[in-house]
Amino acid sequence: AQSVTQLGSHVSVSEGALVLLRCNYSSSVPPYLFWYVQYPNQGLQLLLKYTSAATLVKGINGFEAEFKKSETSFHLTKPSAHMSDAAEYFCAVSRNFGNEKLTFGTGTRLTIIP
Amino acid sequence: NAGVMQNPRHLVRRRGQEARLRCSPMKGHSHVYWYRQLPEEGLKFMVYLQKENIIDESGMPKERFSAEFPKEGPSILRIQQVVRGDSAAYFCASSPGTSGSGEQFFGPGTRLTVL
Repeated sequence: AQSVTQLGSHVSVSEGALVLLRCNYSSSVPPYLFWYVQYPNQGLQLLLKYTSAATLVKGINGFEAEFKKSETSFHLTKPSAHMSDAAEYFCAVSRNFGNEKLTFGTGTRLTIIP
Repeated sequence: NAGVMQNPRHLVRRRGQEARLRCSPMKGHSHVYWYRQLPEEGLKFMVYLQKENIIDESGMPKERFSAEFPKEGPSILRIQQVVRGDSAAYFCASSPGTSGSGEQFFGPGTRLTVL
């Protein structure tokens, strides 16, 4: 079975500050990992994905994440927060890249302080 | 290329009524997934379908819920005799179904309210 734990259901950062959203996974097989963003009353949009290639993954909107097998982590970062980054962020894991369900964490709501 | 479409966007039902949620995948996508998001929670997998086949229904409640993806037309998630606990946002996602093309594209969701 696979699972994802997102530490911190709410995170607040000042505009221009570093964004760090934490995700730890549990998987009996090499995982495929994803970060999605959800804006209010909208669907989910893929930010980035790890599919066993480079451990440092760059995504859209200046976000990146690093896969650390020893720590079973896939934390999401952005060097400088922008007001438009305010949203809900979900980490997800699957056994394969394709033809497989996603298992989501409970989400982290990011608030940007002007 | 239109994205994943879901309708209705909002649906209100009284307890005991039926709810039908529709999902049209992206053009060229033959795989559909349904997820449910309860208030203040993450998304929970419900069912995974290909055209005319249910591949994985491990997340579907055993009673009152069913899903189909016919050869022609949208995928349908059907909830019979709705109860207040069914109030949630239901998201559909689609993918191409070819090996190595696993990104799931999500629709805007249907928000079901049961009175």
